[in-house]
Amino acid sequence: ETGVTQSPTHLIKTRGQQVTLRCSSQSGHNTVSWYQQALGQGPQFIFQYYREEENGRGNFPPRFSGLQFPNYSSELNVNALELDDSALYLCASRPPGTSGRAPLSSTDTQYFGPGTRLTVL
Amino acid sequence: QKEVEQNSGPLSVPEGAIASLNCTYSDRGSQSFFWYRQYSGKSPELIMFIYSNGDKEDGRFTAQLNKASQYVSLLIRDSQPSDSATYLCAVNIAAGNKLTFGGGTRVLVKP
Repeated sequence: ETGVTQSPTHLIKTRGQQVTLRCSSQSGHNTVSWYQQALGQGPQFIFQYYREEENGRGNFPPRFSGLQFPNYSSELNVNALELDDSALYLCASRPPGTSGRAPLSSTDTQYFGPGTRLTVL
Repeated sequence: QKEVEQNSGPLSVPEGAIASLNCTYSDRGSQSFFWYRQYSGKSPELIMFIYSNGDKEDGRFTAQLNKASQYVSLLIRDSQPSDSATYLCAVNIAAGNKLTFGGGTRVLVKP
């Protein structure tokens, strides 16, 4: 167990709807990243939050948005759902440390939650 | 060219043998490298991380990094049926940056 929790476990939505996924990071971890993993593929980076601000984003459209709260928990919101949004959504937290500064340390390691399986019909 | 590439497999190995997994990456600025194991329907679980050229051993697992050739590998010694899973290679280009994953290699360990 990594100490990272996500809710809900599974979710079924229809095309055009909106969805909110939630993540509680491991205690003391102030950086949260979200990834999308389609079936048979590796996870794809969506965005990262550090101290309640987005500080990195992958190639995902603006209808993917997020929030981080003062307790470092996070939400992923997806508007206007499309069929291709069906995937496993993973949240990963990382302990405080580098966040862009060298040298490297084990604080670069990200720990994943159990994921939310989203199905869009 | 994909940023991180892995052979999708499946890599079939007999129980007790050594499983060898390879991963290549395109960005020479990559600084840290991770191997995750993912069972079907589950989330990725960290096995190893490595930053410096050479070998790093942890139990039955050995990670090898060669920055000049831009590859990182994972050896699983004394493979067990419970090692059957998909192994994901991930690269962190800059400290604190996103992880870029390969597509994963599926490993099957046959009793």
